[in-house]
Amino acid sequence: GAGVSQSPSNKVTEKGKDVELRCDPISGHTALYWYRQRLGQGLEFLIYFQGNSAPDKSGLPSDRFSAERTGESVSTLTIQRTQQEDSAVYLCASSRNRDNEQFFGPGTRLTVL
Amino acid sequence: RKEVEQDPGPFNVPEGATVAFNCTYSNSASQSFFWYRQDCRKEPKLLMSVYSSGNEDGRFTAQLNRASQYISLLIRDSKLSDSATYLCVVILGGANNLFFGTGTRLTVIP
Repeated sequence: GAGVSQSPSNKVTEKGKDVELRCDPISGHTALYWYRQRLGQGLEFLIYFQGNSAPDKSGLPSDRFSAERTGESVSTLTIQRTQQEDSAVYLCASSRNRDNEQFFGPGTRLTVL
Repeated sequence: RKEVEQDPGPFNVPEGATVAFNCTYSNSASQSFFWYRQDCRKEPKLLMSVYSSGNEDGRFTAQLNRASQYISLLIRDSKLSDSATYLCVVILGGANNLFFGTGTRLTVIP
């Protein structure tokens, strides 16, 4: 079946611009996660959605970052007024529920010039 | 103290060698454990779950030691294709707490 998909695969933007990243989870997966991974670094948790519960936003690095999810489907991660330090790969993952293994999308490579 | 800690390596081993990684976790209430593999510039992919009784999948063996609060991954008869970064994941039950280790880099040398 279809895995997690993300778009765009690559995004180059200028400092100060807003960007929107999209994640399509695996159908039926109630949990959805966003991570950031800088070059050569580990995964940095950003935000977690579980069904209709309030999202866990504890990993968002600043108020420039926000994310939404419509029901148990698509999620978008928005970064406003991008900065060069936002350059990273943004990975989305979904799982059947909280305690199950996660399946990752291919990521969006964001470069802020 | 970090929730999850891994030796970043790198581990450089010859083909055919046996290599083991550990991942320590700080919260004794942790309930679910996984090993992921991440190839260079690729997304992480699940390698195996870690069960309390230990589990084996071909050349890979995962074990959980609750008393000492660590999980381990053993790779036997290493192949060149095993070269990757291995990430451990620890999940706390009942809360939105999931923690990835920073990964252990393995390079298998011909």
